Order: sequence, then C-alpha cells, then structure tokens
Amino acid sequence: GDSVTQMEGPVTLSEEAFLTINCTYTATGYPSLFWYVQYPGEGLQLLLKATKADDKGSNKGFEATYRKETTSFHLEKGSVQVSDSAVYFCALSRYNTDKLIFGTGTRLQVFP
Amino acid sequence: KAGVTQTPRYLIKTRGQQVTLSCSPISGHRSVSWYQQTPGQGLQFLFEYFSETQRNKGNFPGRFSGRQFSNSRSEMNVSTLELGDSALYLCASSLATGTYEQYFGPGTRLTVT
Repeated sequence: GDSVTQMEGPVTLSEEAFLTINCTYTATGYPSLFWYVQYPGEGLQLLLKATKADDKGSNKGFEATYRKETTSFHLEKGSVQVSDSAVYFCALSRYNTDKLIFGTGTRLQVFP
Repeated sequence: KAGVTQTPRYLIKTRGQQVTLSCSPISGHRSVSWYQQTPGQGLQFLFEYFSETQRNKGNFPGRFSGRQFSNSRSEMNVSTLELGDSALYLCASSLATGTYEQYFGPGTRLTVT
C-alpha cells in the first residue's frame, strides 16, 4: 500500500542555517504530496503542496519539488529562524479523497 | 472566518467507558476527516465524510465509529475504551473532497486511565 518515509529527527540547526528534511514515498500512479507543520500544542497547518510531477510547492521560504523519478519530496529552506522550530510531516493523498497518509514527522529545533 | 473547532479539548476517561468527540468544520466546508495521533503510531487516518456519507475508513476496530450531520458537523465515538486509545484526535475540514486544502483543528487530547 501507499506509504511515506521521512528522516528521523530531531534536526538541530543554528539560526540562518540551510535546512533539508528528506521525504520519499511509495505509491502507484500520481499521488498529491504535502508538507504539514505542527507547532507545540496546535493542530497541523498545510505548509505547501504539489499535485503533479516536477511541481514545486513553496511557502514562507520553504520549498519542495515533486520528483517522480526518485519518488521524493524533500523540504528545503535557505535560512531557518528560531520560529521555524516545530514538527514537520510529509504526506500524500490520492485523487478525489481527503485521506492523508503521513510520514512519522521530523522535529526541527533551531537555536539562536 | 472561524477555524475548525473541536470539543472538548481535553478528556479523561476510564478503561471500558465510551467517549464522543465533536468537530465543527469551517463554515461552508462539507468534507470532514479524522486522524489519531500517538507517539508510537504517528498520524493515522480514521474516517472521511462528505455530505453525511462516509467515503473512507481507516484500519481501526469497529469500536471506532463516526458520523456527519446535515450541517457538516461531525462526531466520532469510541466505545469500550482501552489504554491504547489515549491519543490526540485531530479533525480536518475542506470545501469538498479532493480539493487539497485541508484545515486542521487543535485536536482533542483523550487520556484513558
């Protein structure tokens, strides 16, 4: 069945460092791909999405490109801030459904 | 516009009891989904509802049930609670199934003792 694998955390960075969180998926066809972020004590917020191969999702300085050939959707940010400290989840869904399949989440800690 | 509302925010129940959680979607949203979040299993899909119809169900035992009302509000029920049901239960809503933009509520933290 469909699945999402993302790198174990925590990822610890200094402010203004470059961020990469790896995400790969297993699915037949062309799922849609998402990154969600969860701040302490809150629900999930959609960070960015891509619905077809080679699409690049971007938001708040974060980017991820849908790579069909490597079945990947890695999250990147050029310069992280302390306020980016949160748990990041990679997820996929199929056409015509809201059902999301999530990765295990990666905790990001950014220090000043 | 008000976000997704979940009530109650916190709940403590005893093993064997049952519990009902409520979710009010964003006004105008007709699709509601539920997820269970635990440290061990992560985020797992429970149900998806659209226009009062269950469209998808996750791999959970029959003790977990849900429904959606004509005003799109949704409830989920867990009967005969077990210690392993302790989790954060998240609800998400969207305009319609498959529109990709889902908005999550803050969750209900259920503790089973």
